[in-house]
Amino acid sequence: AQTVTQSQPEMSVQEAETVTLSCTYDTSESNYYLFWYKQPPSRQMILVIRQEAYKQQNATENRFSVNFQKAAKSFSLKISDSQLGDTAMYFCAFVGRADSNYQLIWGAGTKLIIKP
Amino acid sequence: NAGVTQTPKFRILKIGQSMTLQCAQDMNHNYMYWYRQDPGMGLKLIYYSVGAGITDKGEVPNGYNVSRSTTEDFPLRLELAAPSQTSVYFCASSYRLTGELFFGEGSRLTVL
Repeated sequence: AQTVTQSQPEMSVQEAETVTLSCTYDTSESNYYLFWYKQPPSRQMILVIRQEAYKQQNATENRFSVNFQKAAKSFSLKISDSQLGDTAMYFCAFVGRADSNYQLIWGAGTKLIIKP
Repeated sequence: NAGVTQTPKFRILKIGQSMTLQCAQDMNHNYMYWYRQDPGMGLKLIYYSVGAGITDKGEVPNGYNVSRSTTEDFPLRLELAAPSQTSVYFCASSYRLTGELFFGEGSRLTVL
């Protein structure tokens, strides 16, 4: 079965520091998609970054970048120059084929607190 | 651009009551989803739809029903509410299964 694991339930860093959130997954597929979503205290979930497994280059969106290690099945999110507005729950998600359907699997989330 | 709209935002139900959570999207997405999120947990898929008239069960469908008569609307019905259904419910839509999900603001449901 495909699984997604976020091993850090909670993290906190000082504003302007860099923080890395970890995510590992398990799949036998070779082509799949990985996502990081952010859920601020206001609760609406928004996409942070998306990575396609067949692309070797790590995705980047401004201060957010990923370290995608396909062989290790690791997909960590790095937030540079962290800001107070980055305080949120962060969820790692995997989309891949299971039998004949695509399946979206979510990690349990990491609560990130940015301290002033 | 409203995106995904969910109503109501909050609701308290008594055990055994029924209700419908409404979800509408204005992005012409074929794919729509209902998730529940329990405290400290990730999202669990209740039902999803790949287009008008087509729905399928997700991970935790028991106690719920859905319909998809139009592309825009995807209501979730709770029959015979139970305390185990106390949760925050999120509706989402996407253009494709492998693409970005757009979420509503959530509906907090308490069953007493």
